[in-house]
Amino acid sequence: AQSVTQLDSQVPVFEEAPVELRCNYSSSVSVYLFWYVQYPNQGLQLLLKYLSGSTLVKGINGFEAEFNKSQTSFHLRKPSVHISDTAEYFCAVSLDGGTSYGKLTFGQGTILTVHP
Amino acid sequence: NAGVTQTPKFRILKIGQSMTLQCTQDMNHNYMYWYRQDPGMGLKLIYYSVGAGITDKGEVPNGYNVSRSTTEDFPLRLELAAPSQTSVYFCATLQGPNEKLFFGSGTQLSVL
Repeated sequence: AQSVTQLDSQVPVFEEAPVELRCNYSSSVSVYLFWYVQYPNQGLQLLLKYLSGSTLVKGINGFEAEFNKSQTSFHLRKPSVHISDTAEYFCAVSLDGGTSYGKLTFGQGTILTVHP
Repeated sequence: NAGVTQTPKFRILKIGQSMTLQCTQDMNHNYMYWYRQDPGMGLKLIYYSVGAGITDKGEVPNGYNVSRSTTEDFPLRLELAAPSQTSVYFCATLQGPNEKLFFGSGTQLSVL
C-alpha cells in the first residue's frame, strides 16, 4: 500500500516571499502524484499533477512541483506568494492504471498562511 | 453548469439515527467517489463507483452503504450513526483516466 507524508502541518510566510511545501511518499509500484488546494469552506481543487515525463511540473496560480524518484518526494513551490494563496494544501498519490484513477491516498495537509 | 452538488451542507444527527448524503453531477462522468475528511487528517476514500450499477469499497467503508442506479447520482447512506462518523464528507467525480477530480463543496456532519 502507498502512503503520503506532508512534513509540515503549518507554514506561515510573508507576502511575496518564496514557499516550499514538502511531501514524501512511499509505494512499491509506480504512482501518479498530485497537489490539491482547499480554500475555506470549499471542496478541493487540483493545482498540478505528475503522471510521467518531465520531473518539473507547472500548475495553476504560479505553483510548480518537482518529482524526485530517488528521494520519493514531490515538493510544491511558489517563488512569490500572495495573500490569496492562504489555504490548505494536500499532496496525494494514486496507483498507476486500471480503476485506480481517482482512488487517492492523501497526506495530512499543510496549512499555508500568508501574512501581509 | 452546476458540476458536483452535495446536499445537505450541514447536519446534526443523534447516535443511532440514519441519513443519506446526496451527491449529484451533471458532467456525465462515469467515476464517482466518496471521501471523508477528519480534522488534521487527509481525505480517506469510503466508496467509489466506476459506472451505474457498479460500486466498490474504499479504505474506510464500515458503517456506510452506497448505490449507483444512475450516472448522475451517488448517495451515501449511514444506517446507525456513531460519533466516529462526525466528519466532513466530500463527493467527487472523474471524467476518465489521467483526469482531475471534481469535488463538491462538502457536507459537514456531526453525530452527538
